[in-house]
Amino acid sequence: AQKVTQAQTEISVVEKEDVTLDCVYETRDTTYYLFWYKQPPSGELVFLIRRNSFDEQNEISGRYSWNFQKSTSSFNFTITASQVVDSAVYFCALTMGANSKLTFGKGITLSVRP
Amino acid sequence: GAVVSQHPSRVICKSGTSVKIECRSLDFQATTMFWYRQFPKKSLMLMATSNEGSKATYEQGVEKDKFLINHASLTLSTLTVTSAHPEDSSFYICSARGPSGRTGELFFGEGSRLTVL
Repeated sequence: AQKVTQAQTEISVVEKEDVTLDCVYETRDTTYYLFWYKQPPSGELVFLIRRNSFDEQNEISGRYSWNFQKSTSSFNFTITASQVVDSAVYFCALTMGANSKLTFGKGITLSVRP
Repeated sequence: GAVVSQHPSRVICKSGTSVKIECRSLDFQATTMFWYRQFPKKSLMLMATSNEGSKATYEQGVEKDKFLINHASLTLSTLTVTSAHPEDSSFYICSARGPSGRTGELFFGEGSRLTVL
């Protein structure tokens, strides 16, 4: 069975603060894929990143960075210098393989105040 | 990038009526589409996997006769909520496997908010 845990439910920060969103996953498979999605108030899901289990390199994309640690089964997401437009619900997700059935965490609601 | 569009984005209906939601892949062919349901402040729950030309595969606990899924073409999957009741009110999101075939490459529609009165 696979499971994704996002222990934080709501986070509120002031603009320009850094914020880290935690994601812990469970799987028995050695091959798996992890994702982060952003869901703004409008509702659509926006793809942020996809990472396979064999690539533990951390990734940086602008103000976004991801820390993948297999030893702790975590795939944390950090937003540097947060902005109001970052306010959204962020989902971490996991899939085993080609059937692309994603298991989502419960999501973290991030509010960035001006 | 690949685009998936849902219609309608919002629908309000009376209890007992049926509602159809469309999911289209606009610039690619999608042999597989997925339908998710999201309750307020909750995660996305996979309802079913829709395969072009064959019957949909439903997740455990999802009523097949309640949520009819049809994937008649490579660019269109439809979800029909039959005899809708207030408890069916929810946000429904579809996704399509991307054209590259890469594992987990999914593109999501904008979602459809159903309110049953």
